[in-house]
Amino acid sequence: EPEVTQTPSHQVTQMGQEVILRCVPISNHLYFYWYRQILGQKVEFLVSFYNNEISEKSEIFDDQFSVERPDGSNFTLKIRSTKLEDSAMYFCASSGQGTGYTFGSGTRLTVV
Amino acid sequence: AQSVSQHNHHVILSEAASLELGCNYSYGGTVNLFWYVQYPGQHLQLLLKYFSGDPLVKGIKGFEAEFIKSKFSFNLRKPSVQWSDTAEYFCASRNDYKLSFGAGTTVTVRA
Repeated sequence: EPEVTQTPSHQVTQMGQEVILRCVPISNHLYFYWYRQILGQKVEFLVSFYNNEISEKSEIFDDQFSVERPDGSNFTLKIRSTKLEDSAMYFCASSGQGTGYTFGSGTRLTVV
Repeated sequence: AQSVSQHNHHVILSEAASLELGCNYSYGGTVNLFWYVQYPGQHLQLLLKYFSGDPLVKGIKGFEAEFIKSKFSFNLRKPSVQWSDTAEYFCASRNDYKLSFGAGTTVTVRA
């Protein structure tokens, strides 16, 4: 069964540093998403991406965040200057026309 | 925009007991509802979904959910749980192309 792959599985970074979280969505999917889950809290929508542009973003997705699909297969989330409160599990997901959502296994980001 | 709310934060039960987790959705037009499970240390997995048709939806691992329009509910059920069902369960609704998740219910099954 096709999978959404995320790397790395765990990243530790110093406050103020830039991080890039990587995702390889399912190859024939057209819609891509990032969600995050702060420990003990619910899963929150960050951003959706379609046709090489952001289709929707939440209030969380401020100027510190950006997404990119640099080469037609990878889908990245960049946090420019990490804060302690960015520590969370970040999930990538993808979906196609008429298909459900497939989530990746997540990247646990720890900001110290 | 449609949203969901889950009533139970933590449910503890014994193996072979029946499980029912509540989920209510707000009115918002077309209804697309999902239940996801997250086992400890793992990613979100789809248990079942409802878009239209038969309101009783069968999912994986013996789970089912019933869409009751008059009650705005989409409760998850399993007749007999196992220890391996210990996990966090999330109800979600679709708005445009994104999912909105409920707060989640932690289910602990005691052997």
